[in-house]
Amino acid sequence: AQSVTQLGSHVSVSEGALVLLRCNYSSSVPPYLFWYVQYPNQGLQLLLKYTSAATLVKGINGFEAEFKKSETSFHLTKPSAHMSDAAEYFCAVSETGGFKTIFGAGTRLFVKA
Amino acid sequence: GAGVSQSPSNKVTEKGKDVELRCDPISGHTALYWYRQSLGQGLEFLIYFQGNSAPDKSGLPSDRFSAERTGGSVSTLTIQRTQQEDSAVYLCASTTYLRDEQYFGPGTRLTVT
Repeated sequence: AQSVTQLGSHVSVSEGALVLLRCNYSSSVPPYLFWYVQYPNQGLQLLLKYTSAATLVKGINGFEAEFKKSETSFHLTKPSAHMSDAAEYFCAVSETGGFKTIFGAGTRLFVKA
Repeated sequence: GAGVSQSPSNKVTEKGKDVELRCDPISGHTALYWYRQSLGQGLEFLIYFQGNSAPDKSGLPSDRFSAERTGGSVSTLTIQRTQQEDSAVYLCASTTYLRDEQYFGPGTRLTVT
C-alpha cells in the first residue's frame, strides 16, 4: 500500500536561507510524486510532479525536488527562501493502476525576516 | 480558463441540520475528488467520481455522508444530521487522468455549532 511521510510538521527558515522539506514515500510500484502548496484560505496548487522521467524535477517559484528511489525520498528544496514562500506544503503519491492520490500530513513553512 | 469552483465558501450550520456542498470542476475533467481537511490535518480522501460513477466510497466517514455527480460535471456532497466533528474545510479537485495532478477548488469551510 502506498503511503507518504513528511518529516516535520513545522519548518522555520530565515529569508534567503535554504528551504528543505522532507518527504518519504512507500509504494510497491513506480509512483507518481507531487508537491502541492496551500496558501491561507486557498485550495492546493501544484508545485511540481515526478512521473518517471528526469529524477530532478523543477517546479514553479524556484522550487525543485529530486526523486531518489534508493532512499524512497522526494525532498523539496529552494536555494533562497522568500517571505512569500510561507505556506503549507503537501507531498503526495499515486500509483500505476490506482485512482487514489495519498497526501502527507503537510509541513508548514515559516519564513523569518 | 475557469478553475474549479466551490460553493458556498463558508457555511455555518446548527448541529443536526443537513448541508449541501457544491463543486464545479474544470470543463472536460472526467475525474472528481472530494477531500476533508480538518484543522492542522492533512487531506482525508472521501470519495472520487469517474464520470458520474463513484467506484470507491470507502472514504466516506459515515452513512450521513453522500455524494453525487450529474452530467459528468457538477458534484454535490451532502452531510445529513451534521455533528460538530464534521466541522472542517471540504476540498474538491478535478483531473483528466486518475493518477495525474489534481486541480483544487478553494474549499468550503463548514462550521457546525
